[in-house]
Amino acid sequence: ILNVEQSPQSLHVQEGDSTNFTCSFPSSNFYALHWYRWETAKSPEALFVMTLNGDEKKKGRISATLNTKEGYSYLYIKGSQPEDSATYLCASNTNAGKSTFGDGTTLTVKP
Amino acid sequence: EAQVTQNPRYLITVTGKKLTVTCSQNMNHEYMSWYRQDPGLGLRQIYYSMNVEVTDKGDVPEGYKVSRKEKRNFPLILESPSPNQTSLYFCASSWSVGATNTEAFFGQGTRLTVV
Repeated sequence: ILNVEQSPQSLHVQEGDSTNFTCSFPSSNFYALHWYRWETAKSPEALFVMTLNGDEKKKGRISATLNTKEGYSYLYIKGSQPEDSATYLCASNTNAGKSTFGDGTTLTVKP
Repeated sequence: EAQVTQNPRYLITVTGKKLTVTCSQNMNHEYMSWYRQDPGLGLRQIYYSMNVEVTDKGDVPEGYKVSRKEKRNFPLILESPSPNQTSLYFCASSWSVGATNTEAFFGQGTRLTVV
């Protein structure tokens, strides 16, 4: 994998459903993986920063895992709420400061 | 309040007229970065700076310049803007790029239109 890829591109779920997205990144030169939440007309907001293989982070109903050997990270949302509707971005950073973003997964949660 | 401040928020300009978008952070962060966002695409890194007087090209540096003379400021300069630089621009800062406690803070964004 040469670029950072996110899937799916968009997702529509019902309130209360649990969901997950994938971020794939080049495992060579990997230093850190960032997840952001981006609501329309606002700035991206940091969710998690992960660096170690096997890392798991959790913030409320949102959690993330990291596999640096195979180059992927999962973001999970448990019991989705309408306020979770946003675009979720991941970015892979090298230790030299270069940051490569995926195109994002846009989540829509219907009441 | 910890924040990253970009100015202006909106700008319409003409081709070839030099402009500067300012970015300032009040958190003493070492790392700062500029991104552009175009429809259907994620954020693409233009330039970044690991510390004062240290800047490097990102994925799309053509047509842009930056400087980091002091820690808090990281202006983005378009010497001769062209219509293909019409975009939404974000500045961001963090302590560093990889420490687990180093979340990035983004500015409010600058929507630039070059006609």
